[in-house]
Amino acid sequence: EVQLVESGGGLVQPGGSLRLSCAASGFPFSGYWMSWVRQAPGKGLEWVANIKQDGGEIYYVDSVKGRFTISRDNARNSLYLQMSSLRVEDTAVYYCARRVTPDSWGQGTLVTVSS
Amino acid sequence: QSVLTQPPSVSAAPGQKVTISCSGSSSNIGNNYVSWYQQLPGTAPKLLIYENNKRPSGIPDRVSGSKSGPSATLDITGLQTGDEADYYCGTWDSSLRAGVFGGGTKLTVL
Repeated sequence: EVQLVESGGGLVQPGGSLRLSCAASGFPFSGYWMSWVRQAPGKGLEWVANIKQDGGEIYYVDSVKGRFTISRDNARNSLYLQMSSLRVEDTAVYYCARRVTPDSWGQGTLVTVSS
Repeated sequence: QSVLTQPPSVSAAPGQKVTISCSGSSSNIGNNYVSWYQQLPGTAPKLLIYENNKRPSGIPDRVSGSKSGPSATLDITGLQTGDEADYYCGTWDSSLRAGVFGGGTKLTVL
């Protein structure tokens, strides 16, 4: 069974940083593209970033370019999202997902950016 | 403003059929596979349809998807109250080099 478990969310002040982690199990992690998708309170889904199996290709939504960094550690079956220069509008539940158009999702971790 | 356009809401009576549309362009739906997701309140999205019209195991055959050119459609027949949820389409946009989702459609079973 595919399992994706996010962690690292919390309350952070504008301009601050946060690192999200996603622990994957139940499938060969190194064989899949992985993505981060977020959902602001009461809003729809927004794709944030994805990363190829070997980390050789990475894409970001324009609004986070230069501020967020997606990475992975295939030896640890883990996906990461380093977020810096956080803005109030980055407040959302962040989901770890398998594939570019996801076929499996984690339960999400809430990031709140507020002073 | 979402790259993919969905109606904000649809409704139908129990037992009836509902269709949810998803409109895009040649750079996204027109040349890439479409997925559909169901999101119940307070939960993570769940995959309903992948590669335009394929159902993961456990998804009933009263749920179906199709694609024609730059548009896709999700059909749900034999509506049940448990189908009340938000539904999203999603795909890859080759020009933007980004994943894209529709704005979501809230399904109400009257």
